[in-house]
Amino acid sequence: DAGVTQSPTHLIKTRGQQVTLRCSPKSGHDTVSWYQQALGQGPQFIFQYYEEEERQRGNFPDRFSGHQFPNYSSELNVNALLLGDSALYLCASSSLAGGPRPDTQYFGPGTRLTVL
Amino acid sequence: GENVEQHPSTLSVQEGDSAVIKCTYSDSASNYFPWYKQELGKRPQLIIDIRSNVGEKKDQRIAVTLNKTAKHFSLHITETQPEDSAVYFCAASTQGTYKYIFGTGTRLKVLA
Repeated sequence: DAGVTQSPTHLIKTRGQQVTLRCSPKSGHDTVSWYQQALGQGPQFIFQYYEEEERQRGNFPDRFSGHQFPNYSSELNVNALLLGDSALYLCASSSLAGGPRPDTQYFGPGTRLTVL
Repeated sequence: GENVEQHPSTLSVQEGDSAVIKCTYSDSASNYFPWYKQELGKRPQLIIDIRSNVGEKKDQRIAVTLNKTAKHFSLHITETQPEDSAVYFCAASTQGTYKYIFGTGTRLKVLA
């Protein structure tokens, strides 16, 4: 039973560029949430996708966008990168439809993004 | 807005002693409170959780208590071991939103 996977592991970009991060949820899960974790901080909620739609969004600018595919995998896109976007980006999966624990999220290993 | 405060930010204990980490949440509609352990360079791992209809939950050396009136919850680790050393995060979630508001983390060091 595969857990949550993310790619790539590390990424280096320069200011102004665009980046796409990918997440595959745990087997049987239908919901993906994305978090940004700055160094030494707790994860901050970016948004959540269910049934290929964004159902919740945190306090992040429109430069942050996402997508969910029919197989439940998800992408996080960040445009016009800023130095402050450097962080660990975590995705977490859960099961909203029919699961006994819709509020329990399991995290992937994260993508470390460095913006120079 | 929604907020979760976590204390202390760092905690050092001797092996075998107990460790307690406390969190306070602001949203009275919060009803689910997970705790995650994050080792250096690794993913956050769920170690225990509690729902608002329960006051206490225990799993071997780990326990969590919830005081809904005071809006705070705590993680208790007994008989600490060196492998318990990590950063611990509390979080709060509101039914229907399923988004987590995390605390700022506690770095626990268990000294052998």
